Amino acid sequence: DAGVIQSPRHEVTEMGQEVTLRCKPISGHDYLFWYRQTMMRGLELLIYFNNNVPIDDSGMPEDRFSAKMPNASFSTLKIQPSEPRDSAVYFCASSATWGGPQLFFGEGSRLTVL
Amino acid sequence: GESVGLHLPTLSVQEGDNSIINCAYSNSASDYFIWYKQESGKGPQFIIDIRSNMDKRQGQRVTVLLNKTVKHLSLQIAATQPGDSAVYFCAENLNTGNQFYFGTGTSLTVIP
Repeated sequence: DAGVIQSPRHEVTEMGQEVTLRCKPISGHDYLFWYRQTMMRGLELLIYFNNNVPIDDSGMPEDRFSAKMPNASFSTLKIQPSEPRDSAVYFCASSATWGGPQLFFGEGSRLTVL
Repeated sequence: GESVGLHLPTLSVQEGDNSIINCAYSNSASDYFIWYKQESGKGPQFIIDIRSNMDKRQGQRVTVLLNKTVKHLSLQIAATQPGDSAVYFCAENLNTGNQFYFGTGTSLTVIP
């Protein structure tokens, strides 16, 4: 089992640029979550999907953030335009209804916006 | 979401000693809790879980205690090892669509 796979692991960009983060959940998992981690705010839930459908996006900070899940094996989190305050580690996690609500996390994408 | 807070942001223990990490949760409706371990540069990893119908659960060298009366959760690590050095998070689940809320984390440092 390859686990949750995220890319890129590190991204450095300039303010105003578009950023796209990618996630491949564990095969067979029907829930996918995007979290953001900062020193100040810890782990924050941004959005989650069930069977590729967005269920709750109330954690998405602004309209600059968008997430999609076109199929069961792929999701993207996009920030456009990016700002320095978006600098954080973004985690993708997946879980399966049949396996209980336990979350399996990817290694994260560290974003730095200059 | 509801807040989940940790009492101690940092904890240092001697190798071989037992560690206790505490967590307070605010939502009495939460019915499932998980402790995660996060090593530097990695994603959180599952350690142990407990449901609200239990007050204690044991794993390998770890024990989770749940006190629903005071809404308190603790993680006990026996014979702490250098490899246990990490940030530990508690997370609560409201049984509403597999959604979890995480505490701010406690940094555990094991002194050899």
